[in-house]
Amino acid sequence: NAGVTQTPKFQVLKTGQSMTLQCAQDMNHEYMSWYRQDPGMGLRLIHYSVGAGITDQGEVPNGYNVSRSTTEDFPLRLLSAAPSQTSVYFCASSYSMTHEQYFGPGTRLTVT
Amino acid sequence: KNQVEQSPQSLIILEGKNCTLQCNYTVSPFSNLRWYKQDTGRGPVSLTIMTFSENTKSNGRYTATLDADTKQSSLHITASQLSDSASYICVVSGLGGFGNEKLTFGTGTRLTIIP
Repeated sequence: NAGVTQTPKFQVLKTGQSMTLQCAQDMNHEYMSWYRQDPGMGLRLIHYSVGAGITDQGEVPNGYNVSRSTTEDFPLRLLSAAPSQTSVYFCASSYSMTHEQYFGPGTRLTVT
Repeated sequence: KNQVEQSPQSLIILEGKNCTLQCNYTVSPFSNLRWYKQDTGRGPVSLTIMTFSENTKSNGRYTATLDADTKQSSLHITASQLSDSASYICVVSGLGGFGNEKLTFGTGTRLTIIP
């Protein structure tokens, strides 16, 4: 049982490049979400999904896309990277919105 | 606006000592309150989840309290160990539209245990 996995661990992008951050969970959780964590700020919700085929925007969705074709996977796409997207990104999953969330190890992204 | 404020921002204590971290919130309507531990370079790990009716909840040497009337919570760490060095994040879940829950995260307390 690997829990929540994220790849890559580190990534450096140039402004304007696109990329996909991968997230997978093997706990059969319906609820998955993406957060970014910046110094001095709490975790902020980017996008979330309550089940396969269903996604919704969080607090800071601009510049990011998500899809949920399977229960296990919830990739986050950066369409055209900007320096403001330099951050640490965490994926999380839970049985439901009211249950304990399990976080992945994070992806540290730098956009130059 | 829903807010979660934690204090202190940082704390340094000697190994073996106890400490208490504070969390005040203005989230309404309230669903539950969570405490997470985040080691440097890693994702947060859940310590406790408390609902409106729970005043106290323990997880080993960690004890969380909740006063829903004053909208305050505390996390007490007993007999601290070096491995307790981490950031502790308070998260309050409020009910959003259509019964959806919305999480509001505090900025965390950075705890350092010194030998």
